[in-house]
Amino acid sequence: GQNIDQPTEMTATEGAIVQINCTYQTSGFNGLFWYQQHAGEAPTFLSYNVLDGLEEKGRFSSFLSRSKGYSYLLLKELQMKDSASYLCAAMDSNYQLIWGAGTKLIIKP
Amino acid sequence: IAGITQAPTSQILAAGRRMTLRCTQDMRHNAMYWYRQDLGLGLRLIHYSNTAGTTGKGEVPDGYSVSRANTDDFPLTLASAVPSQTSVYFCASSDSTAATDTQYFGPGTRLTVL
Repeated sequence: GQNIDQPTEMTATEGAIVQINCTYQTSGFNGLFWYQQHAGEAPTFLSYNVLDGLEEKGRFSSFLSRSKGYSYLLLKELQMKDSASYLCAAMDSNYQLIWGAGTKLIIKP
Repeated sequence: IAGITQAPTSQILAAGRRMTLRCTQDMRHNAMYWYRQDLGLGLRLIHYSNTAGTTGKGEVPDGYSVSRANTDDFPLTLASAVPSQTSVYFCASSDSTAATDTQYFGPGTRLTVL
């Protein structure tokens, strides 16, 4: 079957760095997405990886290893506004997104 | 530009009633999607439409129907609501179904079926 695994919750300190891991298993693979979702709001796109390696975008970076079925989202210089859920999603061979349950990130001052 | 709008924002519905959730986008996107989001679960695709006039079933289509009469609108209908359909419903759209085209989400509809 198709499956996405990510931690349920993580806690980090303002100004620090946090890495959110995601493992995936899908029938076919057309890329790995990360979305941010603040409580009570819609998910918003953060990053897309289809090739192995690290993609950097400001304070956020995303990494993909296709051979390991593994990705991570790295958030640097954490700010209180980064408190949100981070959703990992893999696109399968039918170009449909398979979503993880999300990782709730709590930032403490 | 509003992006994607959904209506209503929230609704409490008696079991057995019919309900249509509305979704409109003004980005001229070809593809549209309906997801439900439940606590502890990932977003699950209910139905999708690759282009106006076509629809397809997602992971959890039972009890739901959709139509895509034009590019902008993609309503989701619950013919006879049941309590297990209590959820937050998100509509999304993308320029196409290509992986490189980002899905943009509406603000969601919180539905409670009693």
